[in-house]
Amino acid sequence: AQKVTQAQTEISVVEKEDVTLDCVYETRDTTYYLFWYKQPPSGELVFLIRRNSFDEQNEISGRYSWNFQKSTSSFNFTITASQVVDSAVYFCALREYSGAGSYQLTFGKGTKLSVIP
Amino acid sequence: DAGITQSPRHKVTETGTPVTLRCHQTENHRYMYWYRQDPGHGLRLIHYSYGVKDTDKGEVSDGYSVSRSKTEDFLLTLESATSSQTSVYFCATLGTTLSGNTIYFGEGSWLTVV
Repeated sequence: AQKVTQAQTEISVVEKEDVTLDCVYETRDTTYYLFWYKQPPSGELVFLIRRNSFDEQNEISGRYSWNFQKSTSSFNFTITASQVVDSAVYFCALREYSGAGSYQLTFGKGTKLSVIP
Repeated sequence: DAGITQSPRHKVTETGTPVTLRCHQTENHRYMYWYRQDPGHGLRLIHYSYGVKDTDKGEVSDGYSVSRSKTEDFLLTLESATSSQTSVYFCATLGTTLSGNTIYFGEGSWLTVV
């Protein structure tokens, strides 16, 4: 069965520090998809990134970067020069390849990031 | 923005009463989902739909039923609400981006069962 582990329940950093959020997953499929979502204090879930298992290139989007390593089953998320607006709960999620199936996501329990001014 | 609207956004109800949450989408997406979010559990799938009148159970479906009579509407019903169903409920749809299929979420419905 697929599983997503976010071992860090809560992290606090001072503004402008870099921070890495860890995500470790388990799956028996060779094809799968990984996601990160952000949930700010207002409560909505915001899609950040989708990654395919066959594409291990790291990705950078502004201050955000993602490090995907199949060898360690990890998909870590780094925020560079953190800002107060980055304060949120971040969820990692996994979808196994299911062809014409349900496309459902399995979520980790989330990491609450607090950026202190 | 996948054009997902949830109603009601906040509700307080009594134990034993039926409750229906509505999810409305404007994107004509085929797949729709109901998740619940609880502290320490992340988000868990309750039910999902892969077309009009086509639904299936998720991880935590006991005590819940769903219906989808139109593409745009997906209803979640708590047949007899219990305190353990106090939660935040998120509707979601499957949309397509340049990178492939992605699930987008509504704003959430806060339900308190007293």
